Amino acid sequence: EPEVTQTPSHQVTQMGQEVILRCVPISNHLYFYWYRQILGQKVEFLVSFYNNEISEKSEIFDDQFSVERPDGSNFTLKIRSTKLEDSAMYFCASSSGLSGNQPQHFGDGTRLSIL
Amino acid sequence: GNSVTQMEGPVTLSEEAFLTINCTYTATGYPSLFWYVQYPGEGLQLLLKATKADDKGSNKGFEATYRKETTSFHLEKGSVQVSDSAVYFCASYSGGSNYKLTFGKGTLLTVNP
Repeated sequence: EPEVTQTPSHQVTQMGQEVILRCVPISNHLYFYWYRQILGQKVEFLVSFYNNEISEKSEIFDDQFSVERPDGSNFTLKIRSTKLEDSAMYFCASSSGLSGNQPQHFGDGTRLSIL
Repeated sequence: GNSVTQMEGPVTLSEEAFLTINCTYTATGYPSLFWYVQYPGEGLQLLLKATKADDKGSNKGFEATYRKETTSFHLEKGSVQVSDSAVYFCASYSGGSNYKLTFGKGTLLTVNP
């Protein structure tokens, strides 16, 4: 069964450094998402992306964050200047459409640790 | 906006026990509802879904019925196994111009042999 893949599985970065998290969505999917889960808290929506532009973003997704689909297969999340509070598990997801019968499929996540 | 409230864990059961994890939602309109499961060290996997009132989603012996009158989508399994030990997340999705899934806090289930 096709799946969403994320790399790396664990990223350790110094505060203030830039970090790029990478995702390869399912190949025929058109909608892409990033979520995050701070330890012990809810999974929170960050951003959705369709047709090479952001379609929705949360208040968490401030100017420090950006997303890109640099080629036909990768979808990246960049955090420009990381803060301690960015430490979390980051999940990428993709879907073929927007109906409830086209659910979002998630990757295994990247654990981001900011020192 | 949408919100999802699910039963606080952790839940610890013996093998073959009956499982219920409660989930209620608030939303404008009628969202689609999902249960996702996260096994240790893995990502979120879709367990089951229901897209309209009175729909029952089922998979791997788990079931949940979309109840509009009580705004609930409780997860049940008649006889749990050790391999069901995981974190279970209830989620809602309104669709249309609202792209995001709204998750509950997750419930850790541990099944002992």
